[in-house]
Amino acid sequence: AQSVTQLDSQVPVFEEAPVELRCNYSSSVSVYLFWYVQYPNQGLQLLLKYLSGSTLVKGINGFEAEFNKSQTSFHLRKPSVHISDTAEYFCAVSERGNTPLVFGKGTRLSVIA
Amino acid sequence: EPEVTQTPSHQVTQMGQEVILRCVPISNHLYFYWYRQILGQKVEFLVSFYNNEISEKSEIFDDQFSVERPDGSNFTLKIRSTKLEDSAMYFCASTVSGNTIYFGEGSWLTVV
Repeated sequence: AQSVTQLDSQVPVFEEAPVELRCNYSSSVSVYLFWYVQYPNQGLQLLLKYLSGSTLVKGINGFEAEFNKSQTSFHLRKPSVHISDTAEYFCAVSERGNTPLVFGKGTRLSVIA
Repeated sequence: EPEVTQTPSHQVTQMGQEVILRCVPISNHLYFYWYRQILGQKVEFLVSFYNNEISEKSEIFDDQFSVERPDGSNFTLKIRSTKLEDSAMYFCASTVSGNTIYFGEGSWLTVV
């Protein structure tokens, strides 16, 4: 069975500083990997995804993530955060095919002015 | 850009009452899902639906829950007799092929 671990439940960071949100997964088969963002009182918005090919994927709002198969990680990064990036970030995994997404517990990113 | 729409955005209901949450998936999508998020917790899978039948369901999706696609566009989640612990945000989602799942804005259900 798949599982996703987001080690950091909360990450405070100053505006314009870089940030990395960590995500590790476990699965016995090939997977698709996703990051979703949830702004306060809103739904889940797809930030970026890894399906195959290049291990560095770029998403919206300047975010990127790198798939590392040997470390089973898919960490999310942004070189310079803005106040508007304050949100909950969820890492998710699904096995190739139409299996349901399995989500991590989420990381609350708080950007401080 | 096409999006998944959900109604109502917020519903308060008394314990024991039936609730129907409605969703309109993206029009050319073939796979439909319901997920829920209890306040402060992670998003959990409830059920997936394909070709007019349930393709997979989680342990959470017990006999109190049912799904239906009554008219080819709407996708509904019914909770027959709500309990306090059903209070959560319920997300509908859809996809064409499974490699990118799009979520709606969610329906907040509060059971009192």
